[in-house]
Amino acid sequence: DQQVKQNSPSLSVQEGRISILNCDYTNSMFDYFLWYKKYPAEGPTFLISISSIKDKNEDGRFTVFLNKSAKHLSLHIVPSQPGDSAVYFCAARTIQGAQKLVFGQGTRLTINP
Amino acid sequence: EPEVTQTPSHQVTQMGQEVILRCVPISNHLYFYWYRQILGQKVEFLVSFYNNEISEKSEIFDDQFSVERPDGSNFTLKIRSTKLEDSAMYFCASSGDRNYGYTFGSGTRLTVV
Repeated sequence: DQQVKQNSPSLSVQEGRISILNCDYTNSMFDYFLWYKKYPAEGPTFLISISSIKDKNEDGRFTVFLNKSAKHLSLHIVPSQPGDSAVYFCAARTIQGAQKLVFGQGTRLTINP
Repeated sequence: EPEVTQTPSHQVTQMGQEVILRCVPISNHLYFYWYRQILGQKVEFLVSFYNNEISEKSEIFDDQFSVERPDGSNFTLKIRSTKLEDSAMYFCASSGDRNYGYTFGSGTRLTVV
């Protein structure tokens, strides 16, 4: 059951450039999408989210884009900084139920100086 | 900044033993969750808890698992008879309402030997 997929297990980006992390989903009942960042030996940290009624949400260096027709979302980080090196998880939630999150497999982002 | 606190950070137990993982959610949050991540795999939903009862649980959350909120602050996950395949990082999370990302704890690494 892979309702949320992150097809790139890893991504390497130069410091100062843009990092683009991608996520695809299959369940059209998802109404809310979130990105989490995770360092080793820590829990996931909430980064940014987007409701299905929007196509873009921006918070500082982080922007999430949602393309509902393509069932695709992406996280843009610009400019990328060394502290952004972590594993990034895409997650999604359905309208009904108790807010269970379905996570993707994660993408390990490495920012090179 | 408010935190979700989990104890212990690492628990080693023998197969067949009972374990209790403890969590202190953020004090004014209403929704509580347990997730787990087996090494190298995605973060998986186990159970959600609201208004002193389970609101949703996954297929993983079988009769061996139970959750409790014994007082106003703690939220526990009990595994009655641990199996080798229960070895994973277990994350507790809480949220104030459905429009916020969860706050996760740092996790308990459970090793069943």
